[in-house]
Amino acid sequence: EAQVTQNPRYLITVTGKKLTVTCSQNMNHEYMSWYRQDPGLGLRQIYYSMNVEVTDKGDVPEGYKVSRKEKRNFPLILESPSPNQTSLYFCASSFNRDRNTEAFFGQGTRLTVV
Amino acid sequence: GQNIDQPTEMTATEGAIVQINCTYQTSGFNGLFWYQQHAGEAPTFLSYNVLDGLEEKGRFSSFLSRSKGYSYLLLKELQMKDSASYLCAVRDWGNNDMRFGAGTRLTVKP
Repeated sequence: EAQVTQNPRYLITVTGKKLTVTCSQNMNHEYMSWYRQDPGLGLRQIYYSMNVEVTDKGDVPEGYKVSRKEKRNFPLILESPSPNQTSLYFCASSFNRDRNTEAFFGQGTRLTVV
Repeated sequence: GQNIDQPTEMTATEGAIVQINCTYQTSGFNGLFWYQQHAGEAPTFLSYNVLDGLEEKGRFSSFLSRSKGYSYLLLKELQMKDSASYLCAVRDWGNNDMRFGAGTRLTVKP
């Protein structure tokens, strides 16, 4: 089954404790991205990757890092989480960044930073 | 940059028709998407428009007017399971990334 898999689904952590949210897709997609979703603000892009070893900042990259060492995986790293990073996070992938390719989303990770 | 505006909430009756509007401003339009998102779940793709006009797909249709910076999603024969948020997203030529509106939460009542 074609899918985007994120882990964990839920996470509660403390301020300053490094964490990684994993994302993996099995569709051989070139393009992957991370979004955060907050009430009233919609989905905002954090980082994206056009292919292996190619990553770039989205609209809200501060406080986040990513890596793309393999085509299928695109982990999101919070080196020192803060309460304002409490949010619902989605990983997405698409075949490439051409205009008519739809994005497939993971099931989301609800992160709470206390 | 882009501004994408949608109504925050809408309510409709089971069996009825509802139209969800989306207006956008972009420096170089390159496609518009509609996604459905049930509470706590991932967004799922509904439709794509890049040329003016209506795209029909079963009970759902999406319309685009590029000159007006306007799209709508039309849902016919509403069912209770259509209660969800509907997200409008626009791509532009500059970086080809999708930008999302805040979403419209639709409640379907019996």
